[in-house]
Amino acid sequence: QKEVEQNSGPLSVPEGAIASLNCTYSDRVSQSFFWYRQYSGKSPELIMSIYSNGDKEDGRFTAQLNKASQYVSLLIRDSQPSDSATYLCAVGLDSSYKLIFGSGTRLLVRP
Amino acid sequence: NAGVMQNPRHLVRRRGQEARLRCSPMKGHSHVYWYRQLPEEGLKFMVYLQKENIIDESGMPKERFSAEFPKEGPSILRIQQVVRGDSAAYFCASSPLRDPSEEQFFGPGTRLTVL
Repeated sequence: QKEVEQNSGPLSVPEGAIASLNCTYSDRVSQSFFWYRQYSGKSPELIMSIYSNGDKEDGRFTAQLNKASQYVSLLIRDSQPSDSATYLCAVGLDSSYKLIFGSGTRLLVRP
Repeated sequence: NAGVMQNPRHLVRRRGQEARLRCSPMKGHSHVYWYRQLPEEGLKFMVYLQKENIIDESGMPKERFSAEFPKEGPSILRIQQVVRGDSAAYFCASSPLRDPSEEQFFGPGTRLTVL
């Protein structure tokens, strides 16, 4: 079983819709959770970090964490074509400094 | 305020040559992480360093790969006797404090192509 799992997609949504990206993780000692956006050929760009259960909002982005169910999600409201990218979920363990990345979900926002 | 810097951005090597990748962390950051991304795959942790210390190299192949972060100068990821399978994007990230929850910020990456 992969440590961090994401649906590879592509997830296709129309412009203006809500895009919902999901991520599950296997290690219960995971403590920190991050969403990165990566455009093709570019480096990962940090969008959101979340550490406790519940929702965290930042502009059009909302991260949701449920440690009991071991999942973290990212909602993008009012999706724009410029949001089209691969979204990487990353998990930090309590005892380690390295991030464990999922393989990413490719999002396509149709104009 | 400069971000994480990496050079070269693109590196072409023939099989058997050495590759040296450099990373300068963000100002005020003293912790450096190296990740590798193979085509169409996620990032894989390689090594975590502080100044003059390797803290965790559990993700780095035991042979041909080495990393350092000297007291002065950038962090260096060195790959000896490169093979085609080493072709990948190598990203460096940095963070300010030694805390697992700290956010890591990525540099632009070095894309290594082995002919």
